[in-house]
Amino acid sequence: QKEVEQDPGPLSVPEGAIVSLNCTYSNSAFQYFMWYRQYSRKGPELLMYTYSSGNKEDGRFTAQVDKSSKYISLFIRDSQPSDSATYLCAVNAGGTSYGKLTFGQGTILTVHP
Amino acid sequence: DGGITQSPKYLFRKEGQNVTLSCEQNLNHDAMYWYRQDPGQGLRLIYYSQIVNDFQKGDIAEGYSVSREKKESFPLTVTSAQKNPTAFYLCASSNPGARYGYTFGSGTRLTVV
Repeated sequence: QKEVEQDPGPLSVPEGAIVSLNCTYSNSAFQYFMWYRQYSRKGPELLMYTYSSGNKEDGRFTAQVDKSSKYISLFIRDSQPSDSATYLCAVNAGGTSYGKLTFGQGTILTVHP
Repeated sequence: DGGITQSPKYLFRKEGQNVTLSCEQNLNHDAMYWYRQDPGQGLRLIYYSQIVNDFQKGDIAEGYSVSREKKESFPLTVTSAQKNPTAFYLCASSNPGARYGYTFGSGTRLTVV
């Protein structure tokens, strides 16, 4: 079993739709949760970061973490064509010494006008 | 502006050649990483380095080599032993623990011709 499983998609939605992207993880030691957005032929950029269960909002984006279920989600409201990208979830056990991110496979999202 | 610079953006390799991908950061990060990205396979870790003059193999190190002689630089050599080198290569860096995730470069697309 992979440490992080992400719905691979691809996902195609009309402009204005609510998008839900999901990942599950297996190790309860993971404490830090991130979502990266990657446009075609570019490096991933950090979109959302959280370290606790619950919701975190940033504009049209909401990151949700449920540690009891080991489930993380990213919601995009009022999706726009510019949101078309690959979305990667990432988790980290953290600690004060070296930490390494574990990534999901990525979900390709297309928002069509 | 602080960031990570990868060069070149596109690289073509002939069969049997070694090629070196450059990665430079001015973020004063201690840790640096090399990932390979193939369609449908997410990010796979090649090598990582926590401090100067020290590095460890990741999940797919065979056919690759690295050096870390300076904190700012972490070049990756793709050797002729790597049988399927065509891929998108991403360099990243982080502070110890990577609590706040990685900062990625913009990537190098390597193609075997």
